Amino acid sequence: AQSVTQLDSHVSVSEGTPVLLRCNYSSSYSPSLFWYVQHPNKGLQLLLKYTSAATLVKGINGFEAEFKKSETSFHLTKPSAHMSDAAEYFCVVSLSGGYNKLIFGAGTRLAVHP
Amino acid sequence: DTEVTQTPKHLVMGMTNKKSLKCEQHMGHRAMYWYKQKAKKPPELMFVYSYEKLSINESVPSRFSPECPNSSLLNLHLHALQPEDSALYLCASSQDNGWTEAFFGQGTRLTVV
Repeated sequence: AQSVTQLDSHVSVSEGTPVLLRCNYSSSYSPSLFWYVQHPNKGLQLLLKYTSAATLVKGINGFEAEFKKSETSFHLTKPSAHMSDAAEYFCVVSLSGGYNKLIFGAGTRLAVHP
Repeated sequence: DTEVTQTPKHLVMGMTNKKSLKCEQHMGHRAMYWYKQKAKKPPELMFVYSYEKLSINESVPSRFSPECPNSSLLNLHLHALQPEDSALYLCASSQDNGWTEAFFGQGTRLTVV
């Protein structure tokens, strides 16, 4: 069975410092993995995706993630946090089958302080 | 156009009302989805339509009735809802395979009174 574990429910950083949001997955075959961001009372926006191409994936707004098969991890990073990065972040694995059944992690709330 | 448009943005309805949520996409996606999201929780899948046919119903109560009139439109008909059904309802679409991302709408904030 496929599953996703986000290791931190809350992360707090200062503006200008690095961001690390951790995600581990469980999959019986090579997965498709995504990070989505959700600002308050908004829909979900795709930050980046891994679909078995390059293991280091660059996304929007300076975010990137590295797929590490040996560690079954897909951590999200950003070198320098901005106030506008404060939001909820979801790590997601895809269960394929002619459509896209997404399995969501519980989410990590990122707070950014001045 | 990479947008999924949902209407209305906000909806307040009584427990005896009938209302509908609408979702539209023009990306040529053949898979469309309804998700329900409670506060501080991840989205939960409700329904999946693939090529306008219902592929997945995640044991959703019959007071929620989905409809896919064509490949661009997805509706969710609501009837006799309960206060615990109050949530953010998200529509999404994707290509008809499991390796591409899903695009989400902004959601409808539903309050049942």
